[in-house]
Amino acid sequence: EVVLVQSGAELKKPGESLRISCQASGYNFLNFWIGWVRQMPGKGLEWMALILPTASDIRYSPPFQGQVTISADKSVNTAYLQWNNLKASDSALYYCARWNSDKLIFDHWGQATLVTVSS
Amino acid sequence: DIQMTQSPSSLSASVGDRVTITCRASQGVARWLAWYQQKPGKAPKLLIYPASTLQSGVPSRFSGSGSGTDFTLTISSLQPEDFATYYCQQADRFPPAFGQGTKLEIK
Repeated sequence: EVVLVQSGAELKKPGESLRISCQASGYNFLNFWIGWVRQMPGKGLEWMALILPTASDIRYSPPFQGQVTISADKSVNTAYLQWNNLKASDSALYYCARWNSDKLIFDHWGQATLVTVSS
Repeated sequence: DIQMTQSPSSLSASVGDRVTITCRASQGVARWLAWYQQKPGKAPKLLIYPASTLQSGVPSRFSGSGSGTDFTLTISSLQPEDFATYYCQQADRFPPAFGQGTKLEIK
């Protein structure tokens, strides 16, 4: 069974850094892209970034290029999303999801990480 | 990039009603379309892919149809657990694009 377990909720101040995580199990982590999807309060789904762990190949959605960094640690089957300068507008739910590059769909999702940025 | 537009944005219906949600792509995507269901406080769940193929475990009251640019998701007889937000996503080419969602509420 594919399972994606995300790190817990975060409360940060503007300007701070943050890294959230997503640990995958139940499939070969190296062979599937994994990515992050943002959901702002009361809004829809926006894909942010994708990484293929085996090759460290990365894709960013243009609005998020330069704003976040996606990475993966193959030794612990974990993907990360990092901010270096948080803004209040980064407050949102963040989902990790496995990207099926054959079907071009997100076929399994994590439970979400709530990020709140407030002074 | 392909843009996806759903209608309506919200919909009030009663248990037992038949409802239809529409999704339109800005360019043809053949039958490469996915539908997701998101219940309050939960992660999205893949419901249908491609266009009309229900994922394992999805009740048969759900159905999808369409090809090219116009798609529909129909629930034949609403159940209490179906009240959720539904998103379409084009799966024809990278990058992925979601519709803005349709919130299905209890009347």
